[in-house]
Amino acid sequence: EAGVAQSPRYKIIEKRQSVAFWCNPISGHATLYWYQQILGQGPKLLIQFQNNGVVDDSQLPKDRFSAERLKGVDSTLKIQPAKLEDSAVYLCASSQQRLAGRTDTQYFGPGTRLTVL
Amino acid sequence: AQSVTQLDSQVPVFEEAPVELRCNYSSSVSVYLFWYVQYPNQGLQLLLKYLSGSTLVESINGFEAEFNKSQTSFHLRKPSVHISDTAEYFCAVSESSSNTGKLIFGQGTTLQVKP
Repeated sequence: EAGVAQSPRYKIIEKRQSVAFWCNPISGHATLYWYQQILGQGPKLLIQFQNNGVVDDSQLPKDRFSAERLKGVDSTLKIQPAKLEDSAVYLCASSQQRLAGRTDTQYFGPGTRLTVL
Repeated sequence: AQSVTQLDSQVPVFEEAPVELRCNYSSSVSVYLFWYVQYPNQGLQLLLKYLSGSTLVESINGFEAEFNKSQTSFHLRKPSVHISDTAEYFCAVSESSSNTGKLIFGQGTTLQVKP
């Protein structure tokens, strides 16, 4: 079974530029998560999708971050414009979790390491 | 709101020695507890989890963790570590009554196994 795929693996941009990350979850997984992991900290949830609907985006900085999951499969996370403090690893995870399920294991991709100069 | 504290940022240990990685959580509601491991240049992988039942849970590679409700802890232990256990370990909680499965992670503990 193929795992969660993310691209690119690394990205270096200058502040005020835009950047986009792509995630392809495990086939059949209904729930998709985007996490931000700043160096020395644990991952922090940015947004959670159930199929193509947003379940939780309470910690997403909506003035500069946006995410979509068209057709309930792939997802993109965009930052526009980037700030220095956005330097982090962006992790995508997916789970089979259906509407009432809450114990399904989250499977993580390798992450995209973003450096903002 | 939940929070997770991992008390040690780095734990150096010699090969074949025992190790304990400490995790304490704070929550006003009942929680599920998880340990994830992140090997260099790889994504996080679930190591073990506590949902209900026996408070002692085990992984396939010799790690175990015990849920202690009175001390709000979920420490991870292994009686004899290998070089290959070198990795970053994250403790996480989720609210058991939540429909979202949202995870709250600790800041991580780097386990450094020396030969």
